[in-house]
Amino acid sequence: KQEVTQIPAALSVPEGENLVLNCSFTDSAIYNLQWFRQDPGKGLTSLLLIQSSQREQTSGRLNASLDKSSGRSTLYIAASQPGDSATYLCAGAAQGGSEKLVFGKGTKLTVNP
Amino acid sequence: DTAVSQTPKYLVTQMGNDKSIKCEQNLGHDTMYWYKQDSKKFLKIMFSYNNKELIINETVPNRFSPKSPDKAHLNLHINSLELGDSAVYFCASSQLRGSYNEQFFGPGTRLTVL
Repeated sequence: KQEVTQIPAALSVPEGENLVLNCSFTDSAIYNLQWFRQDPGKGLTSLLLIQSSQREQTSGRLNASLDKSSGRSTLYIAASQPGDSATYLCAGAAQGGSEKLVFGKGTKLTVNP
Repeated sequence: DTAVSQTPKYLVTQMGNDKSIKCEQNLGHDTMYWYKQDSKKFLKIMFSYNNKELIINETVPNRFSPKSPDKAHLNLHINSLELGDSAVYFCASSQLRGSYNEQFFGPGTRLTVL
């Protein structure tokens, strides 16, 4: 049974800092991995999807990597801004069940001006 | 130009009532989902439909019944509501293409059972 863990649960940084959010999963048979952000009281916004054959994806100041052998993914945020404050969730899909995303509990990020 | 929409946004009801939540997507996707986010913010899948056919049914009480009238809609009906059903329910959709399965979420429906 796939379980996803995100560390840290909460992170507070000053504006401009580069930061890394971590995600680990128990079953290395991960098929693809998706990072989301969730603002308070809102839905989830898809940030990046790393497909089975890929190791990383980049979008603007965000870079996500996936290392299946170690069961880990990281989300790197460069030059953080107060608008990046949100909860970041990672979710993995197992091969053969790629429709089903298993979520971590999220990292709540606060970027202080 | 909303991609995945849900109604209502908020739903407050008494224990024992029956209620429905509606979801619509205009992305042309063939797969739709219902997820539940509990009070601890943990998100867990409930159901998934592909081309109107049920493909995922997690361990969910049979008081919950999804219905997909067409590919663009997936509704969730809940009978005999209980206090523990209070949560935020998210609808999502995706287009399955091999390993590409980026899921897009709606804004959520906050259900409060009194």
